[in-house]
Amino acid sequence: DQQVKQNSPSLSVQEGRISILNCDYTNSMFDYFLWYKKYPAEGPTFLISISSIKDKNEDGRFTVFLNKSAKHLSLHIVPSQPGDSAVYFCAATPILLYNQGGKLIFGQGTELSVKP
Amino acid sequence: DAEITQSPRHKITETGRQVTLACHQTWNHNNMFWYRQDLGHGLRLIHYSYGVQDTNKGEVSDGYSVSRSNTEDLPLTLESAASSQTSVYFCASSESAESPLHFGNGTRLTVT
Repeated sequence: DQQVKQNSPSLSVQEGRISILNCDYTNSMFDYFLWYKKYPAEGPTFLISISSIKDKNEDGRFTVFLNKSAKHLSLHIVPSQPGDSAVYFCAATPILLYNQGGKLIFGQGTELSVKP
Repeated sequence: DAEITQSPRHKITETGRQVTLACHQTWNHNNMFWYRQDLGHGLRLIHYSYGVQDTNKGEVSDGYSVSRSNTEDLPLTLESAASSQTSVYFCASSESAESPLHFGNGTRLTVT
């Protein structure tokens, strides 16, 4: 049972436009959400996170939106750049649950291609 | 600089053999995790540890084991390698539940 789902395996966007990557989750115990970026032959690197007490978090060109009622989060990249081309994973964790915090459950990933 | 190192980067082994993948971190983090990455499945948690002598099973732990005898290392052992365990394996560590994971660069394991 996939608790975190990224239903789009790939996304192609023109340079300078907005990239929107989506993620859905099913477990209502999840209260902390993260996005990771992964280049080929490297490990994933942390990009941005959001706690369930917020509905938006922004860091430069990257903004994550959380809709708790819909159990949905999205990552917006504006403007998109060719260097953003990578696989993006969303992840969730029940941070307040004792001995479960930090145990991230990942989605399948979305491969973003930003074309010049 | 602190880092997390996985070895080997690539490994080919035969079905039935025991294989151990190494993970060493110099962050002095208590939390360590092993994930495998497969197409269509993303990253799935194999085992994790919140400190020395603590180990826990993740969602895909069958056929794998870990041990935590010190803070820096969490080796992953495949007791009897199977072709279904062909994958890319990532080790990660974190300082606390609220901290992001730091990942190693992965080990690509092929079981023939």
